[in-house]
Amino acid sequence: GENVEQHPSTLSVQEGDSAVIKCTYSDSASNYFPWYKQELGKRPQLIIDIRSNVGEKKDQRIAVTLNKTAKHFSLHITETQPEDSAVYFCAAHSDSNYQLIWGAGTKLIIKP
Amino acid sequence: NAGVTQTPKFQVLKTGQSMTLQCAQDMNHEYMSWYRQDPGMGLRLIHYSVGAGITDQGEVPNGYNVSRSTTEDFPLRLLSAAPSQTSVYFCASTEGLATDTQYFGPGTRLTVL
Repeated sequence: GENVEQHPSTLSVQEGDSAVIKCTYSDSASNYFPWYKQELGKRPQLIIDIRSNVGEKKDQRIAVTLNKTAKHFSLHITETQPEDSAVYFCAAHSDSNYQLIWGAGTKLIIKP
Repeated sequence: NAGVTQTPKFQVLKTGQSMTLQCAQDMNHEYMSWYRQDPGMGLRLIHYSVGAGITDQGEVPNGYNVSRSTTEDFPLRLLSAAPSQTSVYFCASTEGLATDTQYFGPGTRLTVL
């Protein structure tokens, strides 16, 4: 079955710098890759997603890139702000089942 | 719309007790799922449902039962609580299948002593 690995587990960056979180997946049939943000004590919320027919997608300061050959996708956050501090989860979905498989999460810390 | 609601917010059980976590959504979503979240392990799927009357197992189904008699409700039942089931439980719903935005409930923090 699908397996998703997420790195790093913790990322500390200076406010205003960029942050990159990377996920790798095992099932070459996976075709949908969302990223969720979870603030402390809150529920996860979708921030961006990408489908396998697209290589990159941007939404203001957030972008996701997908490399199907290497089976990895990354979240890029530019000009980081204090409100970006949270845990970020990646996930992957394959048409072979109805389930999202999740990475273990990355705790992003923005240093003032 | 209230979105996805869960009750209770907090619960303490003794080993061996049973209980039901409630989940409801008012968005007419077909796909609903239950996750547990443990520190450092992300979200793990317990059970899911693609519509009323249809349920299936996820990654970690043992010790849990679900039913889906209506589109709105998707309760999760713990049969005989164990300390290993101490976790935060999230219910989520999606308009289509898993490839659409998942809307999460606020979570239930469960402690089993």
